[in-house]
Amino acid sequence: DAKTTQPPSMDCAEGRAANLPCNHSTISGNEYVYWYRQIHSQGPQYIIHGLKNNETNEMASLIITEDRKSSTLILPHATLRDTAVYYCIVGEYNTDKLIFGTGTRLQVFP
Amino acid sequence: ETGVTQSPTHLIKTRGQQVTLRCSSQSGHNTVSWYQQALGQGPQFIFQYYREEENGRGNFPPRFSGLQFPNYSSELNVNALELDDSALYLCASSLQVNYGYTFGSGTRLTVV
Repeated sequence: DAKTTQPPSMDCAEGRAANLPCNHSTISGNEYVYWYRQIHSQGPQYIIHGLKNNETNEMASLIITEDRKSSTLILPHATLRDTAVYYCIVGEYNTDKLIFGTGTRLQVFP
Repeated sequence: ETGVTQSPTHLIKTRGQQVTLRCSSQSGHNTVSWYQQALGQGPQFIFQYYREEENGRGNFPPRFSGLQFPNYSSELNVNALELDDSALYLCASSLQVNYGYTFGSGTRLTVV
């Protein structure tokens, strides 16, 4: 079973920041937080991952709370093309599998 | 560099038949994983191959089997197809185990 809890759906206005929350209260010390997204009719796309420090790349920022029990994925300026299902996953760095939950369906509207 | 390519994109099979799905991993990637995604669900891990050896397996019956070739391409074979096997089958490759997997667009299998 997935070790994360995410809201089933969220809306965001185009150009605004999209903040997607994820709870992972049972995360263990050596587990990372990974984010993937899946645009309709495509395979999942890797976005970002982190252990305990906040991370930023060209796609998004990942904010992990100090106790590591929750995190937030931030898309700073959402576009219509960011409409997708976003998956938050926890797992060890050398794990052989990603355990997906049902994710958050983000709808970006004009 | 090319991404992960899967073939065919769509397939219709009859219950009881066998199917082979193919995956070409991204250049330089030696790890390939297969996932099954039912409609409205997240992908479910089937198994992973690392350097031609099975490196882990999810909760799928033995009629789901796989191969990885020396060029790191891979096949997923499913025997004795059941209606519940209808799903999107995704292949993902990575440079090493769990280092930012790159997914293909999947094969949509329909079993009738």
